[in-house]
Amino acid sequence: QQQVKQSPQSLIVQKGGISIINCAYENTAFDYFPWYQQFPGKGPALLIAIRPDVSEKKEGRFTISFNKSAKQFSLHIMDSQPGDSATYFCAAIPKYNFNKFYFGSGTKLNVKP
Amino acid sequence: EAQVTQNPRYLITVTGKKLTVTCSQNMNHEYMSWYRQDPGLGLRQIYYSMNVEVTDKGDVPEGYKVSRKEKRNFPLILESPSPNQTSLYFCASRRQGWSTDTQYFGPGTRLTVL
Repeated sequence: QQQVKQSPQSLIVQKGGISIINCAYENTAFDYFPWYQQFPGKGPALLIAIRPDVSEKKEGRFTISFNKSAKQFSLHIMDSQPGDSATYFCAAIPKYNFNKFYFGSGTKLNVKP
Repeated sequence: EAQVTQNPRYLITVTGKKLTVTCSQNMNHEYMSWYRQDPGLGLRQIYYSMNVEVTDKGDVPEGYKVSRKEKRNFPLILESPSPNQTSLYFCASRRQGWSTDTQYFGPGTRLTVL
């Protein structure tokens, strides 16, 4: 059973548009929520991360919004570019064991020129 | 250059033939981990290691073994591979102690078990 549910499975956005990927969880012990970006043929790479004590974190065009009460968090990519085309994974790490990672199922983003 | 390397990158084998996928990192990281990536399931953690001789199960450890005899290496062993272990495998490393530290992934090993 997937502990972190991610949607949509795939996403097509026009260049300059906003890409939004959503994740939801049930386990209230999750304490850290990273997002990873994966290009074809490569391993995932950390993009941005957030802790549940803040509602938003922004790094350049990438923003995480976090809703602790709803147990949901989302990645927003502003001014999406063709170079952002990749697969994105959300993840969650529990406070009782920060060695365990639970990933979402991934979202394949295609930004059309 | 700081990196995680995996070998082989591609492997086709037959059911029951023991195989080892190697993983090595040059960042002196204490923590290393193995994941498998399958369509629609994302990445699932197989095993992780907090340091030399210290390993623990992830979410999907069945059918896999690991060992950590040296800090830089963390091989994944499939003693009797089966077709349901056909997958894309990633090794990763990180400094131990802080969940917020970046986890670095290797380039992946695509395994096909016939």
